[in-house]
Amino acid sequence: GQQVMQIPQYQHVQEGEDFTTYCNSSTTLSNIQWYKQRPGGHPVFLIQLVKSGEVKKQKRLTFQFGEAKKNSSLHITATQTTDVGTYFCEPLDTNAGKSTFGDGTTLTVKP
Amino acid sequence: GAVVSQHPSRVICKSGTSVKIECRSLDFQATTMFWYRQFPKKSLMLMATSNEGSKATYEQGVEKDKFLINHASLTLSTLTVTSAHPEDSSFYICSASQAGSGANVLTFGAGSRLTVL
Repeated sequence: GQQVMQIPQYQHVQEGEDFTTYCNSSTTLSNIQWYKQRPGGHPVFLIQLVKSGEVKKQKRLTFQFGEAKKNSSLHITATQTTDVGTYFCEPLDTNAGKSTFGDGTTLTVKP
Repeated sequence: GAVVSQHPSRVICKSGTSVKIECRSLDFQATTMFWYRQFPKKSLMLMATSNEGSKATYEQGVEKDKFLINHASLTLSTLTVTSAHPEDSSFYICSASQAGSGANVLTFGAGSRLTVL
């Protein structure tokens, strides 16, 4: 079955530094979603990537979908304390028709 | 945008009692809703897929008699934890997908934190 690996598990940065989390799947994906969960909160949808090689930007956040549609990344430029939280990827396996959440990357930002 | 309401947000119960958690899609119809369990500092574990008008589909290892799911209408799904025990204490979250929002885009409820004494 599909295996999803999200790295790193934790990332501690100084405010202003950049941050990247990676999501890798063992199988080819139909699409992938990214969510953010603030401490004590629930996951909130950030973006959906569908096309091979797709790059989408939301202000300081840049999302990429790999050419082979097996991996994705989320990059935050110049982190702020409001970026604190856990970022989850949710890849949808083409064949399984089913999605699985990555383990998440928890970001902490020192002011 | 799509809103999913989940109630109660927190519940404390005695061991052996049953607890019902409600998940409502407020401004859209959801033929499918999902129920997850999340342990501290862990990812979302899909428990079951709730289908309106039919039986829920449970993930492997999830006891269907323990976690009863009812999806009686297009806007409401309920999860009942029966005969709760302390090991059932957890954060339970529901989600729903709105038709036309993009394949597989989920809107989550705020979650319900269950503590079983």
